[in-house]
Amino acid sequence: EPEVTQTPSHQVTQMGQEVILRCVPISNHLYFYWYRQILGQKVEFLVSFYNNEISEKSEIFDDQFSVERPDGSNFTLKIRSTKLEDSAMYFCASSGIGLAGKTGELFFGEGSRLTVL
Amino acid sequence: KQEVTQIPAALSVPEGENLVLNCSFTDSAIYNLQWFRQDPGKGLTSLLLIQSSQREQTSGRLNASLDKSSGRSTLYIAASQPGDSATYLCAGNTGGFKTIFGAGTRLFVKA
Repeated sequence: EPEVTQTPSHQVTQMGQEVILRCVPISNHLYFYWYRQILGQKVEFLVSFYNNEISEKSEIFDDQFSVERPDGSNFTLKIRSTKLEDSAMYFCASSGIGLAGKTGELFFGEGSRLTVL
Repeated sequence: KQEVTQIPAALSVPEGENLVLNCSFTDSAIYNLQWFRQDPGKGLTSLLLIQSSQREQTSGRLNASLDKSSGRSTLYIAASQPGDSATYLCAGNTGGFKTIFGAGTRLFVKA
């Protein structure tokens, strides 16, 4: 069964460092997303990506964050100058086209746990 | 602005019991609503997706309903098993790219 894969599963970094989280979405999906979940809190939307550009982003997704689809399979989230409060589980998701051309069912990866020290 | 609330926050039931998890949303212009399962420290597994034009969806022992007029969705789990123990999340989408999640219901099924 097709699945979304994420690497690394856990990354520990020092405050101020840059991290790149990687995702391979389901191959025939067209919409890609990053969500995050701080320990004990809700899953929060960060950004969506469609047709090689950001289609929507939340207030959390400021200049510290960027996304890229460097090739036909990978989708990355870059976090610059990491802060303690960036510690969270970061989830990649993808979806196909649903009804009326809108986003369909979301499929999530297992997540990348980021710990900033 | 869409907000999603789940009640109860936690639930403990004996094995074999039928149970209902509740989800409410503030924006009735919902495009779809999705239920997920999350095991501790793990990713989100999609259980059921209900489109706005549907009233319910079924998969095995799970049945999810959607009532747009009242802003509510329920997830019914029949004949619960210890393996059903997990956090159940509902998430609503109003047709854009952002899906809003509830805080989840932590379910514990006792053997």
